[in-house]
Amino acid sequence: AQSVTQLDSQVPVFEEAPVELRCNYSSSVSVYLFWYVQYPNQGLQLLLKYLSGSTLVKGINGFEAEFNKSQTSFHLRKPSVHISDTAEYFCAVSDRKGAQKLVFGQGTRLTINP
Amino acid sequence: NADVMQNPRHLVRRRGQEARLRCSPMKGHSHVYWYRQLPEEGLKFMVYLQKENIIDESGMPKERFSAEFPKEGPSILRIQQVVRGDSAAYFCASSPMGTVHSGANVLTFGAGSRLTVL
Repeated sequence: AQSVTQLDSQVPVFEEAPVELRCNYSSSVSVYLFWYVQYPNQGLQLLLKYLSGSTLVKGINGFEAEFNKSQTSFHLRKPSVHISDTAEYFCAVSDRKGAQKLVFGQGTRLTINP
Repeated sequence: NADVMQNPRHLVRRRGQEARLRCSPMKGHSHVYWYRQLPEEGLKFMVYLQKENIIDESGMPKERFSAEFPKEGPSILRIQQVVRGDSAAYFCASSPMGTVHSGANVLTFGAGSRLTVL
C-alpha cells in the first residue's frame, strides 16, 4: 500500500516569488507520481507526472517537480508565481501494477498575495 | 474539466433519501473511476469500472453505496438512505485503454458533484 504526505496544508507567497510545495510518499514497490491542481469549484487538472526516465519533470503553467528516490520525495516548484496560481495542489501516487488507482495527499492550499 | 461530464453539479438530499450521481467519460475512454473528497481532505478512491464490469471496489463503503457503468449511458454512483456523513464532493475520472506509455494511467477528472445531506 502507498501513502502520501503533503507537509504543508497552506502556503502563502507573494506574487513573483518562488514556491516549493512538498510531497513525500511511502511505498514498498515502484511507483508513478503525479501533481494535480484544483481551482475553486472545479475538478482536478493534471500538472505533471513522473513515470520513468529523467527525474526532473516539467509540467504546465511553468511548474516542475523532481523525483528523489532516496528521499521518497516529489516536490513541486515554480520560480515565479502568479495570482492565477492560487489553488489547491494535490500530490498523488500509484503503484505500477494498479496504475489507475491513485492515492492522494491531503492537499496544499497555495495563496498568492499581491 | 468539461470533457468528463458530471451531473448534477450540486445535489441536496435529506437524511434517508437516495442520491444518484452521473458521469459521462471522455470520448474514447472506457474506464471510469469514482473518488470522494470529504471537507479538508484529499480524494479517496472508491471504485473502478469498465463497461458492465466492476474491476475494483475496494474503496466503496460496504453498505448503501453502489456503482454501475452500463453498456449504454453514463456511469452512476448511487447512495441509498443518505446520512450527513455522506456530504462530500464526488469526482469521476476516466482513462483510455492501453499501456502506461499510451497514457492509460493518466486520469481525466470531471468537475465533481457536491452532495449536501441536510
